[in-house]
Amino acid sequence: QVQLQESGPGVVKPSETLSLTCSVFGYSISTGYYWGWIRQPPGKGLEWVGTIFHSGSTYYNPSLKSRVTISVDTSKNQLSLKVSSVTAADTAIYYCARVDIVGKADSWGQGTLVTVSS
Amino acid sequence: QSALTQPPSASGSPGQSVTISCTGTSSNVGAYNYVSWYQQQPGKAPKLMIYEVTKRPSGVPDRFSGSKSGNTASLTVSGLQAEDEADYYCSSYAGSNIFVFGPGTKVTVL
Repeated sequence: QVQLQESGPGVVKPSETLSLTCSVFGYSISTGYYWGWIRQPPGKGLEWVGTIFHSGSTYYNPSLKSRVTISVDTSKNQLSLKVSSVTAADTAIYYCARVDIVGKADSWGQGTLVTVSS
Repeated sequence: QSALTQPPSASGSPGQSVTISCTGTSSNVGAYNYVSWYQQQPGKAPKLMIYEVTKRPSGVPDRFSGSKSGNTASLTVSGLQAEDEADYYCSSYAGSNIFVFGPGTKVTVL
């Protein structure tokens, strides 16, 4: 049974870069599947951030594409998320998930809250 | 503003059925049979309930069913139980490896 766990700073200053890591347990990223990041502002709905294939191919939400980078480290069985030039609008719970090519997210991490504040 | 539209709330008494709609366009819901539904309990991560419009993952009760007509997908919860009270989100493939979510529907069991 695959398990995912997000980690990273809980507070990031405006204009800086948000960096998160998702550790995957019980499944080797290099085996296959896509892996994604989804975020949820407090009290609001879900927003797809981006997806990466184990080979490194990436796909991003067009509204965030210029600021987002997703990568994988198969040696550590981890994926990472970077969002640059953050503002208060980037304050959200960030989830990593195992997804397929058409967006079915069947396993999720517990999520980590990132607050953008000076 | 979400690419998909859902009613903000829905409710039903225990044992009744509730249906939630998810309206998109011919570029997402109408174009692909790749609509998923997620249940989110307070303070928890979303849980996949339906995928590819009608399919249920292992472990999801058959009280949950999905359908689609044109640009609108629907999730029906039959035999409503107290534990079904949650937020429900639809999502759809929108082509070019892009995915969109609905704003969510809060289901209340009366």
